[in-house]
Amino acid sequence: DAKTTQPTSMDCAEGRAANLPCNHSTISGNEYVYWYRQIHSQGPQYIIHGLKNNETNEMASLIITEDRKSSTLILPHATLRDTAVYYCIVRGASNFGNEKLTFGTGTRLTIIP
Amino acid sequence: DAGVTQSPTHLIKTRGQHVTLRCSPISGHKSVSWYQQVLGQGPQFIFQYYEKEERGRGNFPDRFSARQFPNYSSELNVNALLLGDSALYLCASSLWAGDGEQYFGPGTRLTVT
Repeated sequence: DAKTTQPTSMDCAEGRAANLPCNHSTISGNEYVYWYRQIHSQGPQYIIHGLKNNETNEMASLIITEDRKSSTLILPHATLRDTAVYYCIVRGASNFGNEKLTFGTGTRLTIIP
Repeated sequence: DAGVTQSPTHLIKTRGQHVTLRCSPISGHKSVSWYQQVLGQGPQFIFQYYEKEERGRGNFPDRFSARQFPNYSSELNVNALLLGDSALYLCASSLWAGDGEQYFGPGTRLTVT
C-alpha cells in the first residue's frame, strides 16, 4: 500500500470548515483513499473513502486531486466533538492480501471554541 | 443496532502469563480484524479472519494467535506476555474480507507488569 504524509497537528475554529490534507504521491491506479478518525480513548471511526471522484457523505467531503497524488478531507462546520486524530489511509482493491488498514500517526485536529 | 463489542475492557497481567481477548462483530459482518495500538502510535494490523479462515497476518510473533467461531465472533490469544505487549487491542468488523470500511470496537486495554 502507498505511503501517506499528513501534518502532525492542526487547529480549527469551531463552526469553520476544517481542511485536512494528505499526500500520497506513490498511489497506484487501483488504490483507494480512506479516512478514519479516532477520538480520545475510543476505537477508530470510518469517515469516508474514494478512488478518484470527489465524495460526500453526512460526515465529510473528500476531495482527490486529478493526479490522485493528494487529497483533502473537509469537515464543513467543525464542532468540539470533531477534535480527534485523523488518519489518511491508502489501501489496495479487495484482493487477497490487501485486507489490512495501514495506519500512520495521523493529524491531531483540535477544534478551538 | 449493537456495534462491535469487546471484552474485557481492561486487563492487568504479569509477564509470562497468557491472555485471551474477545470480540463480537456487528450482526451480519463476517470479517473480523485485530489491531494493536501502543501509546502515541496508530493501530497496527495483527490478524484478519473471514469465514473462520485467516486472511491476513501482520508482523507479529507466533505468541499471537487468533481464531473465529461459527457465529463470527473472534478471540485473540497472546502467550508469554512481555512488557511491550501493553497496548490497546482493537477489534474491527466488516461485511467481507476485502471491505475497507471497518467498524471498530472500543478496545481492550492490556497492561503487562
